Amino acid sequence: VTLLEQNPRWRLVPRGQAVNLRCILKNSQYPWMSWYQQDLQKQLQWLFTLRSPGDKEVKSLPGADYLATRVTDTELRLQVANMSQGRTLYCTCSAVRLGGNTGQLYFGEGSKLTVL
Amino acid sequence: TQTVSQSDAHVTVFEGDSVELRCNYSYGGSIYLSWYIQHHGRGLQFLLKYYSGNPVVQGVNGFEAEFSKSDSSFHLRKASVHWSDSAVYFCAVSLYGNEKITFGAGTKLTIKP
Repeated sequence: VTLLEQNPRWRLVPRGQAVNLRCILKNSQYPWMSWYQQDLQKQLQWLFTLRSPGDKEVKSLPGADYLATRVTDTELRLQVANMSQGRTLYCTCSAVRLGGNTGQLYFGEGSKLTVL
Repeated sequence: TQTVSQSDAHVTVFEGDSVELRCNYSYGGSIYLSWYIQHHGRGLQFLLKYYSGNPVVQGVNGFEAEFSKSDSSFHLRKASVHWSDSAVYFCAVSLYGNEKITFGAGTKLTIKP
């Protein structure tokens, strides 16, 4: 059963252009939604966890700038700008127990971005 | 700051062999330790986790891992590997109550026929 639907799955991004990614949660039992980036060397890094509709966060990392938005209980978005190196962005979800995480993430299939 | 170290970037074994993938962590406090598998071009899939209790935890597809506080380790094992186990394996640590999960660099497991 697919818990998360990410789109687009692949995108060629002209240098200097921003791209918008979307993630849809299919099961409300896993409400904590997050974004992780995986670089070309396969290293994974947590970017954001947005718990409630209306939450927004920004972050700048080597090679890209990010703006994440929790639009609704089931939709998470990510804008990627100023990307200088390709990467894959993964949406994740997790259950919540006693106010905390369960140490277990469910991953989407990823959005692979390549810089032109 | 919690850290996770996977000392082997690549491991190659024959189908039917046993395998152990090593993971060491550095953190004090209440943590979750987990393992994930990533097949080529796919998202990660959860294999197993440890928080407390029996230090040997069972996961899917015959995988198990053993927690050792004295060694600060959480090694993953499988008694007999199948060609479909070829993938990259990630060890991960997270603080209880914290949303962020920190991943190791990954170990690429190759199964020879």
